[in-house]
Amino acid sequence: GQQLNQSPQSMFIQEGEDVSMNCTSSSIFNTWLWYKQDPGEGPVLLIALYKAGELTSNGRLTAQFGITRKDSFLNISASIPSDVGIYFCAGVPRGGSEKLVFGKGMKLTVNP
Amino acid sequence: NAGVMQNPRHLVRRRGQEARLRCSPMKGHSHVYWYRQLPEEGLKFMVYLQKENIIDESGMPKERFSAEFPKEGPSILRIQQVVRGDSAAYFCASSPREAGTGELFFGEGSRLTVL
Repeated sequence: GQQLNQSPQSMFIQEGEDVSMNCTSSSIFNTWLWYKQDPGEGPVLLIALYKAGELTSNGRLTAQFGITRKDSFLNISASIPSDVGIYFCAGVPRGGSEKLVFGKGMKLTVNP
Repeated sequence: NAGVMQNPRHLVRRRGQEARLRCSPMKGHSHVYWYRQLPEEGLKFMVYLQKENIIDESGMPKERFSAEFPKEGPSILRIQQVVRGDSAAYFCASSPREAGTGELFFGEGSRLTVL
């Protein structure tokens, strides 16, 4: 089945630092999305990307949809303590589908 | 505008018992999805429903699991004769239209523990 390989699996950073994470696949995806999950909560959509090569920002977050449609990255600039959580990439497979495919997540810890 | 509401938040069952998880989508949303999350894993698609219809259940185990979204009331995910491997967080999501965009609104999840 389709899989998303997300890396790194975890990061420990100091408040104020930038952090990058990425997601790759051997399959083409029509849409890439980034979700954040706080402990004990459901995932919340951060950014959605619809076009190959698209670069989108949402506050301190910037994400790009890879030109090959097989990868995406997310950057968080000037991290703050509330950025702590698990970040998931997710993709909508080619052909359109309601079956979002999720990566395994990247656990972010921000030290004040 | 209330978000996706799931209950119970936590459920403990003994092996062989039944678990029923409920989900009320966001107001105005007619599409409901159930995902399962094992510890340290991403979410895995289980089933997609519209009112009174199962659209895609390809992620559901063939036995013991069923889902419905009746005309009135919440969507129900039912697990019969639970086993320890069913222990997981079960998330419901809704969207106002088909999730071809991937823009799903998730509930807070129901965490099932099977003893």
